Amino acid sequence: QQQVKQSPQSLIVQKGGISIINCAYENTAFDYFPWYQQFPGKGPALLIAIRPDVSEKKEGRFTISFNKSAKQFSLHIMDSQPGDSATYFCAASNNRAGTALIFGKGTTLSVSS
Amino acid sequence: GAVVSQHPSWVICKSGTSVKIECRSLDFQATTMFWYRQFPKQSLMLMATSNEGSKATYEQGVEKDKFLINHASLTLSTLTVTSAHPEDSSFYICSARGEGGITGELFFGEGSRLTVL
Repeated sequence: QQQVKQSPQSLIVQKGGISIINCAYENTAFDYFPWYQQFPGKGPALLIAIRPDVSEKKEGRFTISFNKSAKQFSLHIMDSQPGDSATYFCAASNNRAGTALIFGKGTTLSVSS
Repeated sequence: GAVVSQHPSWVICKSGTSVKIECRSLDFQATTMFWYRQFPKQSLMLMATSNEGSKATYEQGVEKDKFLINHASLTLSTLTVTSAHPEDSSFYICSARGEGGITGELFFGEGSRLTVL
């Protein structure tokens, strides 16, 4: 059973465009929803995270939108740059219980210059 | 920010040998560490949860006798791949929960790439 479903699998965006990646979860006990960026051969790096008490969080060019009733959250990358080309993973956990992060399958983003 | 260090970052070994990977929290104490495995172009899959001073909790399908986890101190957890085989070749990544108890932020190491010949 896949607890966190991520789409699309791959995404090509022109420089300056908006990249949108979506995730859906099933476990209503999840209370922490981060997005990670990973470059080849490196560990994942935290980009931005949200908790279910807010519907949106913005940090620079990155925005998370959260829909608790639909059990969905998405990452928007504004003004996408070639340096943003990487694999992005959404994740979820029950942070109150200290559980591990469960990751989505990842989205490979390519930003063309 | 908090740093999690893994060593070695790259290891090649012969089939049948054992390999130990270390995960250290450099500037904080981590009561809980998580071990993930990532195959090429795939996601991170949780292998086990490691708690300091107690036995690790393994995810379904992960052989505890093959992947030995020891969390001997608040800053060090080790993963030993015993009798490694080519199918064990993967990217192993640890994650440590920072200060703040069970709700502390999770930090990831840079990963250890294991290649078994």
